[in-house]
Order: sequence, then C-alpha cells, then structure tokens
Amino acid sequence: ILNVEQSPQSLHVQEGDSTNFTCSFPSSNFYALHWYRWETAKSPEALFVMTLNGDEKKKGRISATLNTKEGYSYLYIKGSQPEDSATYLCASYNYGGATNKLIFGTGTLLAVQP
Amino acid sequence: EAQVTQNPRYLITVTGKKLTVTCSQNMNHEYMSWYRQDPGLGLRQIYYSMNVEVTDKGDVPEGYKVSRKEKRNFPLILESPSPNQTSLYFCASSSVLAGGPSYEQYFGPGTRLTVT
Repeated sequence: ILNVEQSPQSLHVQEGDSTNFTCSFPSSNFYALHWYRWETAKSPEALFVMTLNGDEKKKGRISATLNTKEGYSYLYIKGSQPEDSATYLCASYNYGGATNKLIFGTGTLLAVQP
Repeated sequence: EAQVTQNPRYLITVTGKKLTVTCSQNMNHEYMSWYRQDPGLGLRQIYYSMNVEVTDKGDVPEGYKVSRKEKRNFPLILESPSPNQTSLYFCASSSVLAGGPSYEQYFGPGTRLTVT
C-alpha cells in the first residue's frame, strides 16, 4: 500500500510569517507529485505538478521543491496572508502494477491570523 | 469555461434507496475519478476510469458502482446506501501521461450526501 504523509497536520501563523510544509511519498516507481490548495466550502485547486528530481516551481508567494530520490516535497509560503488560510494537499502518482491511482495525503491545515 | 460539474450538490436520503450522483467534464479528459472526504481521513479514492469502458477500483470501492459509457460522464451509483456512506464526494478529471494521472486534477464542486 502506498502512503503519502504530510506534516504538520495543522499550522497557525501570524500574517507576514513565512512557513513551509512537508510531503513524504514513495520514491519507488515515482512519476508525479501534485500540490493542491483547498479552501473551506470549495473544491481543491491545483497549485503545482512536479515530476523531475530537483524541480522547483513558483506561483506568486508560493513555491515548491521536489526530491524524488528520498521521496519528499516542500511547499513554502512567503509572507503569509489571511487569504492563504486553507488545507494544502499533496498527492503522489506512482506507476506500475495494476494501479493508476493518485494517492492523497491528509493535508496540512494552515490558519493565518491577521 | 473548462469545468467539472456534479449533481446534486446536496442530497439527503434514506438507507437502501438507490441513488446516482452525476459527474460531467467538458475538457475531453481521459482520466476521471471519484473521491470521498471524511474528517481526519483526507481524500480517499472510490473508483477511477482511464477512458471509456475502462474503470477500476480505488481504495474504498465497497458499496459503490460506476460506469463510463461516454468520455465526458462518470456517474457514481449507490445501489443501497447506508449511513456509513454519509460523506462529501468529489469528482475529478485530468489528462493522462505515463499511463496515469500525471497532470493536475480538476475537481467538481462536491456533493454532500447524508444517508439516514
């Protein structure tokens, strides 16, 4: 069974703080790592999809890195704002066998206090 | 506008009464999937489909059925709903690469189902 784990489970920061979360995923047969942002009462929205070891992607104040050899990804938020409050999900696609599943972690809940 | 639609958005039903939640996408995506979200458990995959007439079980398929007769539609069927199927359900779709969901998933708005 493939396991994707995220830490911390939740995080409370002050407006202006920079923060980061971790996603651990199986490194064997790895193909793609997804990050999603999920606001309360909305649907998850894609932030990044990364495939290459050492990949780094950026969207505004949010960036992510990928280490496929050791099986982890970091998501960074620079200068957190209250509108960044959401659950951040990562998901791993590992090919092979009979499965073509995207396995999600349980998410990191970020609360940014004004 | 590229989108995934689900209907109904909210549903309260009774144990044993068959129901269908529809999902439709207008992006010509090959891959479609159903997830359920329960507190503390994250998104768990119920069923997925790689293309028309190709479906497979996810992690929690018991009590659910799906079909993929057309590329755009992927309905979720609960033949005999039970209270433990009370949950928030999301449909999602994406293009595929390397035989699987290598591209970003587009999620529908969600269906909140209550089974009494």
